[in-house]
Amino acid sequence: GDSVTQMEGPVTLSEEAFLTINCTYTATGYPSLFWYVQYPGEGLQLLLKATKADDKGSNKGFEATYRKETTSFHLEKGSVQVSDSAVYFCALSDPTQNTGNQFYFGTGTSLTVIP
Amino acid sequence: NAGVMQNPRHLVRRRGQEARLRCSPMKGHSHVYWYRQLPEEGLKFMVYLQKENIIDESGMPKERFSAEFPKEGPSILRIQQVVRGDSAAYFCASSEGHSSYEQYFGPGTRLTVT
Repeated sequence: GDSVTQMEGPVTLSEEAFLTINCTYTATGYPSLFWYVQYPGEGLQLLLKATKADDKGSNKGFEATYRKETTSFHLEKGSVQVSDSAVYFCALSDPTQNTGNQFYFGTGTSLTVIP
Repeated sequence: NAGVMQNPRHLVRRRGQEARLRCSPMKGHSHVYWYRQLPEEGLKFMVYLQKENIIDESGMPKERFSAEFPKEGPSILRIQQVVRGDSAAYFCASSEGHSSYEQYFGPGTRLTVT
């Protein structure tokens, strides 16, 4: 079945450091891929998405490219800020399958950015 | 525009009691999804509902768990005779339409069973 494997945390970086959070997926159909972010005490917010191979999603300086050949959707940011401290979830949804209503989530990666 | 509302945010129940979790979707959204996050795990899909209908409950445990989304009022996830293994964070999401890519999540209800 469909699944997402996400880099384990926690991750601690200094401000302005480069961030990569790895995410790989397994899917039987043609999934869409997402990154969600959860700030302390809040719900999950959509950060970016990509709906087909080679698409790049981007938002707030974060980027991720849908790589079908490596079944990956790694999250990157060139220069992190303290305000980026949160938990990041990789997810997939495959509307072409009868499970299209479901999102499959990774376990989440906690990021702490220190000044 | 208020987001998805969940209450309570924290709920403590003794073993054998009932837990009721409420979710009010975003304004204009008629599709609701419930997810559960067990400690050290990712979010797992439980059930998908539209107004007055359960569309997909493939992720719901077969016993003790039920969900509804009445014509009026919030969606309710009900857990009867709770056990310690039910302790988890329960998230609700809503969307505007069927198989919509955009699911908007609430802040979650953290259930602790003592």
